[in-house]
Amino acid sequence: GQQLNQSPQSMFIQEGEDVSMNCTSSSIFNTWLWYKQDPGEGPVLLIALYKAGELTSNGRLTAQFGITRKDSFLNISASIPSDVGIYFCAGQRRDDKIIFGKGTRLHILP
Amino acid sequence: GAGVSQSPSNKVTEKGKDVELRCDPISGHTALYWYRQSLGQGLEFLIYFQGNSAPDKSGLPSDRFSAERTGGSVSTLTIQRTQQEDSAVYLCASSRGREGRGYTFGSGTRLTVV
Repeated sequence: GQQLNQSPQSMFIQEGEDVSMNCTSSSIFNTWLWYKQDPGEGPVLLIALYKAGELTSNGRLTAQFGITRKDSFLNISASIPSDVGIYFCAGQRRDDKIIFGKGTRLHILP
Repeated sequence: GAGVSQSPSNKVTEKGKDVELRCDPISGHTALYWYRQSLGQGLEFLIYFQGNSAPDKSGLPSDRFSAERTGGSVSTLTIQRTQQEDSAVYLCASSRGREGRGYTFGSGTRLTVV
């Protein structure tokens, strides 16, 4: 079935560092979404992207919808402790089904 | 309600027993989804309800799994004859329609089969 390749699987960074993660697919998506999941909670939507080439920011978060519609990246600038969690990319197909990546686990070193 | 409510939040059951997991979506949301998340893994699609349309059951892993949505609101996911590999967090999400941006997740039910 259709899959999203999300990388890296996990990251260990120092507080204050910038973070970058991405998703790629062999198929085209109409919408790219980025979610964050805190322990014991469901994922929460961070950013939604609707047009190829679109670059969207939400505070310290920046995400882009790849021009080929097959990839997306998420950047977090100046990381803080509350950024810890699992970040999921998701692509929405023309039939509206949403496919999730396997997640990037962000750890911040003390 | 203000958010998607799932119950119970935790369930421990013996292998072979049936379990029912409940999801109360946000009022007015016509679309409802069930996902499964195994420890350290991503989100595995199970089933999707949209209004009065026939549900998309393509993600259900076996015929031991079934789900229904009564009156276009509350949904119940039933797992019959539970197995240890069914242990996971079961997440429900709802949205106003087909828009992915409108997905709101519940906090999940953590199922442990012993």
